[in-house]
Amino acid sequence: KNQVEQSPQSLIILEGKNCTLQCNYTVSPFSNLRWYKQDTGRGPVSLTIMTFSENTKSNGRYTATLDADTKQSSLHITASQLSDSASYICVVTLPMDSNYQLIWGAGTKLIIKP
Amino acid sequence: DTGVSQNPRHKITKRGQNVTFRCDPISEHNRLYWYRQTLGQGPEFLTYFQNEAQLEKSRLLSDRFSAERPKGSFSTLEIQRTEQGDSAMYLCASSLSGQAYGYTFGSGTRLTVV
Repeated sequence: KNQVEQSPQSLIILEGKNCTLQCNYTVSPFSNLRWYKQDTGRGPVSLTIMTFSENTKSNGRYTATLDADTKQSSLHITASQLSDSASYICVVTLPMDSNYQLIWGAGTKLIIKP
Repeated sequence: DTGVSQNPRHKITKRGQNVTFRCDPISEHNRLYWYRQTLGQGPEFLTYFQNEAQLEKSRLLSDRFSAERPKGSFSTLEIQRTEQGDSAMYLCASSLSGQAYGYTFGSGTRLTVV
């Protein structure tokens, strides 16, 4: 069964600290893996998108890694800011000949404290 | 183009009433998706359109739910005889078929059934 699991479920860190969020997936084959940031009450916003052949992708203070052998991805946030408080969702996209499928993780709720 | 637009942002309705939400996708996107998201969970796929054709519906989409995209542009999602369990965030997204990238979400409509 295609699944995406994220850990931890929630995380609290102090402003300025770094953190790493984990994503394990069983989806195979897949087209790409995405990390989204979702603020409370808003739609998800894409942070990074990686194909299966990419190992890392950065977007400012966000760096995503992908290990296709172990089927693991991580999102590293550097020098956290209060505005980073949000849910971070890992999403795996099935190949483009699939009709629609995005396989979603449940997300990690990140809280940044001053 | 201001991205994917959803209206209303919030809707409070009494149980048993009908509600309708609207989604305006990015103009050049031919695919439009509806998702439902409950607190602490990732979005769940409901249905998607390619142009005006509704190509896939989830089992989550009971017969009380209907979606339309009559001219291949905006879409509406109607829920008839609302139940408290319908309370959720309803998200719309759009993309170009054949493109793994450029999957963009709206800010969602928050439905509360009282």
